[in-house]
Formats: sequence, structure tokens, C-alpha cells
Amino acid sequence: DVKVTQSSRYLVKRTGEKVFLECVQDMDHENMFWYRQDPGLGLRLIYFSYDVKMKEKGDIPEGYSVSREKKERFSLILESASTNQTSMYLCASSFNGRTQHFGDGTRLSIL
Amino acid sequence: ELKVEQNPLFLSMQEGKNYTIYCNYSTTSDRLYWYRQDPGKSLESLFVLLSNGAVKQEGRLMASLDTKARLSTLHITAAVHDLSATYFCAVDTGFLQYNNNDMRFGAGTRLTVKP
Repeated sequence: DVKVTQSSRYLVKRTGEKVFLECVQDMDHENMFWYRQDPGLGLRLIYFSYDVKMKEKGDIPEGYSVSREKKERFSLILESASTNQTSMYLCASSFNGRTQHFGDGTRLSIL
Repeated sequence: ELKVEQNPLFLSMQEGKNYTIYCNYSTTSDRLYWYRQDPGKSLESLFVLLSNGAVKQEGRLMASLDTKARLSTLHITAAVHDLSATYFCAVDTGFLQYNNNDMRFGAGTRLTVKP
């Protein structure tokens, strides 16, 4: 079975802090994704990566950056956290053209 | 820009009843996914629909795809409490290079099945 592991289930940070969310997958998938999930809005794509060191913006990249130095790991970075970034963050991975597999999510609160 | 609309957003039904969740999308796509999410849990893949007229069934859930109408349905037959969850449809935009499935999600349908 595919395993997508997010480093934290719950995280509380302060406004202005730099925040790192980590995601690791164990199936050698080319593609990795970061979404945020908010009530009534579904999942919205922040960034994705289709190869090591490659990244593309999704629908809501503002205030975020990403890093993919190794194929199995995809990091989401909040450069200067703000309260409107309080949300559930979901990481996913996939082979090309195949179903995305999701991690358990990180519930991030910015105070 | 691809828009994906699900309805209803909230659904409360009695056990044993049937109901359908609808997923409309705004641009051409021939790949649609249905996911289930339990509270506090991750998204679990239910179905992948890859062509017009595709129908897939598992247990009490049946999903179909009409690419001409840009519509997918998730039909629930004789609902049971264990089906209570949030269901998402997701449409592959097909706009990315390398076929790496850029998806857009509906807002989700929160289903509650009451005894």
C-alpha cells in the first residue's frame, strides 16, 4: 500500500513565524502535491512538483513556497505565517496519470 | 478555469434510503475521481472514471460519468450508517505536461445516515 506521511497532525504557530510542513511518500511517485482544505471550499491546490527540484504553482500559491530536494520528500513553507493560513493541509502523491494518494493531513493553527 | 460543483453540500438520510450526489464541471475532462473522507482522516480513493459512460460500483455506491453533460453522479443504495462521511469529486484538468493529473476538487458532500 502507498504510504504518504505528514510530519505533524497538529501544529500551532505564531503570526510571522516561518513554518515548515513535511511530507514523505514511499512509492517512488513522480508527482507530489500540497492542498489546503477549508470548510465549504473543498481542496485547493497550493503547489505541486513533478520531479526533483521542479515545482509549479497551483491555484493559491501566495504566501507559500515549496522544496523538493529528494524524490520522496516535498516540503511546504509558510514564509511568514498569517492567521488566514490557519487550515488543514493535505499532501498527496501519484504516478503520472494515476490516482492521488493522500496523507492524514496537518491541522495548522496560526495565532 | 475549471470549476467543479457538487450538490448537495449536506445530506441527511435515513438508513435504507437511496440518494444521488451530483458533480458538475465546467470544461472538458475525461477523468474523474470520487474520494471519501471520514472525520479527522485522510481522503480515500473510491472510484476513477476514465471515459464517457463509465460506471463503477462497489457495495452500496455506484459512480457514473457523462462527459458530454460534464456530469458525474454517486448513487447510494439502501444507505447504512457506515456510509456517513464527506464525499468529494475531483476532475483532472488534463492541462499539465507529463500527464501528471492536476485535479480540481468539488466542495464536498457531507453525508449523514441516520438509523
